[in-house]
Amino acid sequence: AQSVTQLGSHVSVSEGALVLLRCNYSSSVPPYLFWYVQYPNQGLQLLLKYTTGATLVKGINGFEAEFKKSETSFHLTKPSAHMSDAAEYFCAVSDPANQAGTALIFGKGTTLSVSS
Amino acid sequence: EAGVAQSPRYKIIEKRQSVAFWCNPISGHATLYWYQQILGQGPKLLIQFQNNGVVDDSQLPKDRFSAERLKGVDSTLKIQPAKLEDSAVYLCASSTQGVGGNEQYFGPGTRLTVT
Repeated sequence: AQSVTQLGSHVSVSEGALVLLRCNYSSSVPPYLFWYVQYPNQGLQLLLKYTTGATLVKGINGFEAEFKKSETSFHLTKPSAHMSDAAEYFCAVSDPANQAGTALIFGKGTTLSVSS
Repeated sequence: EAGVAQSPRYKIIEKRQSVAFWCNPISGHATLYWYQQILGQGPKLLIQFQNNGVVDDSQLPKDRFSAERLKGVDSTLKIQPAKLEDSAVYLCASSTQGVGGNEQYFGPGTRLTVT
């Protein structure tokens, strides 16, 4: 069964600092990989996704992530944090071979705090 | 383009009562999902519809939860009777079709508190 592990339930950075949110997955085959952001009292919004092709994926708001098959990782980064980046971030996977459906399996989330 | 709509946004009920949530997906989206998000955890799939047929309901507690998607558009999720552990945010999402890798668009969710 697939699973997702997000290391660090809470990450704090200063404005302008590098953001690094970690995600590792467990799967017998390379899954599709996603990062979603959730602001308070709002639904989830897709930041970026990896399905096939280039392993470095660029998303919205200056975020990017790199799929590393050998490390089963899909870490999310942003060179310079803004106050508006403070939110909950979820890593998720789906199984390309799952004939029953395409639902996402989420990690527990990482809360990003940005201080001035 | 209008997003996924959900109502109500908040609901407080006592245990053993029943409750229903409504979802209107993005127009033209064939696939609809209901997720349960317990505080401090990531969303967990309850049920997935493709048009008006169920694709995956393996994690739906069928003794108390039910869902339907009449005419392949709107959907309702019902809990009867509710338990304390059902307190969570219920998220509805939709996508163009049930193909892995397609973006799922999420509604704002319904926050349920069971007392």
